[in-house]
Amino acid sequence: NAGVTQTPKFQVLKTGQSMTLQCAQDMNHEYMSWYRQDPGMGLRLIHYSVGAGITDQGEVPNGYNVSRSTTEDFPLRLLSAAPSQTSVYFCASSRDPGAVSEKLFFGSGTQLSVL
Amino acid sequence: AQKITQTQPGMFVQEKEAVTLDCTYDTSDQSYGLFWYKQPSSGEMIFLIYQGSYDEQNATEGRYSLNFQKARKSANLVISASQLGDSAMYFCASPGGATNKLIFGTGTLLAVQP
Repeated sequence: NAGVTQTPKFQVLKTGQSMTLQCAQDMNHEYMSWYRQDPGMGLRLIHYSVGAGITDQGEVPNGYNVSRSTTEDFPLRLLSAAPSQTSVYFCASSRDPGAVSEKLFFGSGTQLSVL
Repeated sequence: AQKITQTQPGMFVQEKEAVTLDCTYDTSDQSYGLFWYKQPSSGEMIFLIYQGSYDEQNATEGRYSLNFQKARKSANLVISASQLGDSAMYFCASPGGATNKLIFGTGTLLAVQP
């Protein structure tokens, strides 16, 4: 049981380049989400999805796109990378999007640097 | 919760002593939950403990316990008998809104000294 798998683990981009961070989970979780972690700011929600075909914006969505074509996959796209998007990115999932007691399962994170 | 506040950016504790990490929250929800996660230097996010707003007893998980004071809107994490491996960043979090969108505090960096 792999849990939540994120790739790549590290990535360096030039300003203006595009890329996709991959996230897959094998737990049949309905809820998936992307966070970014910056020093002194904790984890901030970028986008989330409560099921296949449904996505919504979090606290810091600008510059990022997502889609959820399957239950398993939730890729995060940076269309035109900016230095302000240098951060550590986490994908996380949970079984029931509506239950306050559902803990999130996290991927191992992607360290992204935009030069 | 609409906001999670962790006022201690960093803390030191001696090995084998207990330490309390503070967390306060702001919510208008009747039903909510409080989570604590640990992030060691390796970077992964590890779930530690959960407390529901209607739980009558404070949650405990091994050496971790949650000092939940609903009237004060605080959910402090207590680590007993600290170990060197407890050195990590600790985050308090709570769902915000109708879906399980966890809102995180800014974290507390704990250093356990031998």
